[in-house]
Amino acid sequence: EAAVTQSPRNKVTVTGGNVTLSCRQTNSHNYMYWYRQDTGHGLRLIHYSYGAGNLQIGDVPDGYKATRTTQEDFFLLLELASPSQTSLYFCASRRGDSYEQYFGPGTRLTVL
Amino acid sequence: GQQVQQSPASLVLQEGENAELQCNFSSTATQLQWFYQSPGGSLVSLLSNPSGTKHTGRLTSTTVTKERRSSLHISSSQTTDSGTYLCAIGTGANTGKLTFGHGTILRVHP
Repeated sequence: EAAVTQSPRNKVTVTGGNVTLSCRQTNSHNYMYWYRQDTGHGLRLIHYSYGAGNLQIGDVPDGYKATRTTQEDFFLLLELASPSQTSLYFCASRRGDSYEQYFGPGTRLTVL
Repeated sequence: GQQVQQSPASLVLQEGENAELQCNFSSTATQLQWFYQSPGGSLVSLLSNPSGTKHTGRLTSTTVTKERRSSLHISSSQTTDSGTYLCAIGTGANTGKLTFGHGTILRVHP
């Protein structure tokens, strides 16, 4: 099974702060995804990537940047965090020839 | 856009009872995945089942693609099954984007 790790697992920051969430997968999957999960909305896709250097916009991208530096590493950047970005963030990956996604353990972000 | 409806919203069982969870979706799905989310928040993939019937352990998923619905049957429920069950679908194209339902909260009492 694919191994997807996220760091940090918990993060508290203040409004206007800079936050970087990290995701690493060790199974050479092509695709990586960032989702946020909020009560009443379920999981929603922020950004995704199909390889190093590639970035695609998801369904709720406003206020977020992302960067895929290597096959393994995908980062989510909040440059001016706002309380509306308080959420549980998940990273996921998948192979190019399969639709099945594997999720990381999540990062709980609180913006005060 | 794609919509995913899950029912019931919540379910309470006594240990040993069976559970039937439903997922209905608005567009043809090329991917359907059932997930379990623990009370602590971690997300685990249970089954990938875009069509037909699949079994794993006490879980059985049946997806009828033409009718745009899927079910997840949990047999002989245990207290450790308590949590939220999420259905997610993908609609083709190679993006692999998933659209999630809001989930069914399951509580199993001893």
